[in-house]
Amino acid sequence: DVKVTQSSRYLVKRTGEKVFLECVQDMDHENMFWYRQDPGLGLRLIYFSYDVKMKEKGDIPEGYSVSREKKERFSLILESASTNQTSMYLCASSSSTREQFFGPGTRLTVL
Amino acid sequence: RKEVEQDPGPFNVPEGATVAFNCTYSNSASQSFFWYRQDCRKEPKLLMSVYSSGNEDGRFTAQLNRASQYISLLIRDSKLSDSATYLCAVNFMDTGRRALTFGSGTRLQVQP
Repeated sequence: DVKVTQSSRYLVKRTGEKVFLECVQDMDHENMFWYRQDPGLGLRLIYFSYDVKMKEKGDIPEGYSVSREKKERFSLILESASTNQTSMYLCASSSSTREQFFGPGTRLTVL
Repeated sequence: RKEVEQDPGPFNVPEGATVAFNCTYSNSASQSFFWYRQDCRKEPKLLMSVYSSGNEDGRFTAQLNRASQYISLLIRDSKLSDSATYLCAVNFMDTGRRALTFGSGTRLQVQP
């Protein structure tokens, strides 16, 4: 079974703080993704990565950055958190163009 | 126009009913298609892949219609536990992206 884990289920941060969300997968998948999910807007792709040290912008990269130093780990960074970044953040991994497997999500609240 | 569109619902059906959802996609250069199930406040979980020839898994049947650019999910003999949001996902090959594009989901509520 594919396992994708995320560092926190719930997180509360203050405006302006730097926030790190970590994601680890154990299936040696080359592809990893970060999405945010908001009511009425569905899943929106923030960033993705095909390989170690590679990253590509998704549909809504503004205000975010990512890091992939090891194949199994993909981090999402909010350089200066803002209230409009309050959301559910979902990490996923996949092999090639096949189905994606999601982590449990991090519900982030920025006050 | 959204790249992947779904009727948000909710679809309210009695137990035992048959219910079908459609999902339309805008890009004909699409290769991979999937249905996911998402329970409230949980992550999406893969329900089934959708193959060109159609496929069935127990009470669930998925179909692909390339000519009309839609995929469908049929649930027979609905159970209370089928209540969830169903997301379709498509991989658009011509974009070079390996990421899936998701619909916003269709909510199903099965009632006793």
